[in-house]
Amino acid sequence: DTGVSQDPRHKITKRGQNVTFRCDPISEHNRLYWYRQTLGQGPEFLTYFQNEAQLEKSRLLSDRFSAERPKGSFSTLEIQRTEQGDSAMYLCASSLVGRRESPLHFGNGTRLTVT
Amino acid sequence: AQRVTQPEKLLSVFKGAPVELKCNYSYSGSPELFWYVQYSRQRLQLLLRHISRESIKGFTADLNKGETSFHLKKPFAQEEDSAMYYCALTGGSYIPTFGRGTSLIVHP
Repeated sequence: DTGVSQDPRHKITKRGQNVTFRCDPISEHNRLYWYRQTLGQGPEFLTYFQNEAQLEKSRLLSDRFSAERPKGSFSTLEIQRTEQGDSAMYLCASSLVGRRESPLHFGNGTRLTVT
Repeated sequence: AQRVTQPEKLLSVFKGAPVELKCNYSYSGSPELFWYVQYSRQRLQLLLRHISRESIKGFTADLNKGETSFHLKKPFAQEEDSAMYYCALTGGSYIPTFGRGTSLIVHP
């Protein structure tokens, strides 16, 4: 399967703990996006990378959130000092650079539950 | 700012009935518009995009710039069409903005 993969699929953590998620995009895609989705809502943009450069971050992304894409391949999203409001599905997607009409290819997501 | 509105959270029809899932957008420039679909226990995936002007699984969508709409239509719904449908817009920032989604249920 050469699609976008995310790990883990599920994560349950206690409030105050740190968590890290990983995303492996489609190999020839150099844009990588992180979205968050809560029940009854569509995906909300968090941040995106073109190659290893983080080009934009949403105002939704507090200082507790950090994302990296060190070699322009896989990406990690870390949430420090988790709060119950962080409980959501975290989606990763990739696409081809420089084409607005290029669609996103999504992973299966990581479901985070903060207790 | 760009915004996508899907006014219906739920659309329930019987098999064979026509379906129209509404999508309205707000964007000052020329948008790229998409419909994504999520079937039960599957990942979100592209259904169709306006630039392709194609029909996928019997669905079509026409961009109406005057009404700022991109409604998804199918003349005869099938049970396997039951899914969540999301309309998305990409503007100059290359960041797709999604609507909240419409759940389509097709009854036998």
